[in-house]
Amino acid sequence: DGGITQSPKYLFRKEGQNVTLSCEQNLNHDAMYWYRQDPGQGLRLIYYSQIVNDFQKGDIAEGYSVSREKKESFPLTVTSAQKNPTAFYLCASSLSDSPLHFGNGTRLTVT
Amino acid sequence: GNSVTQMEGPVTLSEEAFLTINCTYTATGYPSLFWYVQYPGEGLQLLLKATKADDKGSNKGFEATYRKETTSFHLEKGSVQVSDSAVYFCALIGGYSSASKIIFGSGTRLSIRP
Repeated sequence: DGGITQSPKYLFRKEGQNVTLSCEQNLNHDAMYWYRQDPGQGLRLIYYSQIVNDFQKGDIAEGYSVSREKKESFPLTVTSAQKNPTAFYLCASSLSDSPLHFGNGTRLTVT
Repeated sequence: GNSVTQMEGPVTLSEEAFLTINCTYTATGYPSLFWYVQYPGEGLQLLLKATKADDKGSNKGFEATYRKETTSFHLEKGSVQVSDSAVYFCALIGGYSSASKIIFGSGTRLSIRP
């Protein structure tokens, strides 16, 4: 079955460490996105990529980095520069302006 | 720029009650409109969509009609179930200034009492 896989589901890190969240899709979608969701709040766009080897900052890119070396993969690194990294991170993909398909998310806790 | 405004939650209803969650939007041109649902601990799933004025999207007993004259896309269901408890997001994409980015509302949490 086609879909988006985010791993791991739960991730724990110490403050000051970088951490990379995985996102893989086998839907053959060109565009991929990373969102952050805080408790009781909506989604905020971190980064997005419309084609391989190209990506753009979203609304809250500071403290995050991404790469898009393959069409299927769009990993997100949460760096130590991100002041409040504890959150629920959602990856999504789409074809052009069609609806987004979401993964099941990674809950990151930094202590 | 484009924006989406949803009614604030939480919304608490009894089983079999009628549901309306309001959504209005601001956009130039002719955006496509969506409702997504998020169950606890999961990602978002597309619930329904409408791509042009007067279109009605429907799925799982939920409906929403694209009203250009009132710039609205309200979500309705005639008889809710406990299993409908989730967070609902209204969203839009497209129009003249989309930059190919989907715009989400802030979400409305729905709780259904047995």
